[in-house]
Amino acid sequence: GAGVSQSPSNKVTEKGKDVELRCDPISGHTALYWYRQSLGQGLEFLIYFQGNSAPDKSGLPSDRFSAERTGGSVSTLTIQRTQQEDSAVYLCASSQANRGQTGANVLTFGAGSRLTVL
Amino acid sequence: AQKITQTQPGMFVQEKEAVTLDCTYDTSDPSYGLFWYKQPSSGEMIFLIYQGSYDQQNATEGRYSLNFQKARKSANLVISASQLGDSAMYFCAMREIIRTGANSKLTFGKGITLSVRP
Repeated sequence: GAGVSQSPSNKVTEKGKDVELRCDPISGHTALYWYRQSLGQGLEFLIYFQGNSAPDKSGLPSDRFSAERTGGSVSTLTIQRTQQEDSAVYLCASSQANRGQTGANVLTFGAGSRLTVL
Repeated sequence: AQKITQTQPGMFVQEKEAVTLDCTYDTSDPSYGLFWYKQPSSGEMIFLIYQGSYDQQNATEGRYSLNFQKARKSANLVISASQLGDSAMYFCAMREIIRTGANSKLTFGKGITLSVRP
């Protein structure tokens, strides 16, 4: 697609329920990243995919959080047994990874999924 | 220790004037990349400018320039001729290329709020 697409844009859930957030990256982008942003705060890294594998999942805050990517394209972030502190905007980004080893590959972000846990 | 530090309180600038947004970073990686993103109130993350640690010249992109002082580990963003549409949150970010890879995550600072006065 033309940009990074995330769904749902807004999700309200009750504490203890599971939620799934979806990210559809830009076509051809091999790298995919998940971040979360609490109100008025910076971006907290969660996980990075290169293709279907996740070489860096160091930011996942607990075992309630998991993510997968299939077909080198769509990714799903799953939060089990949601807690109120999980309330945040979850941002997905993708990158073309075409600048070799220069490190200059730019992340293009989606509009985010706002999660509210009551 | 924080890898990216943005400590300025909310910044104000008069329309058409220049403004500098400060960013300092901390890394022992000899190869790294520095990025600036803009986040308007609508929430999308917009890439502005990139500087590689081995780049000899300061990066420029239209009204944006990066004042890169490697020895001081600072990467300040300069916006010339401010416009009302520049009012937003601005984030500095870094990628450590040797330690984590050329397509690895960006680590973000907490951001600076810029308000442009008419």
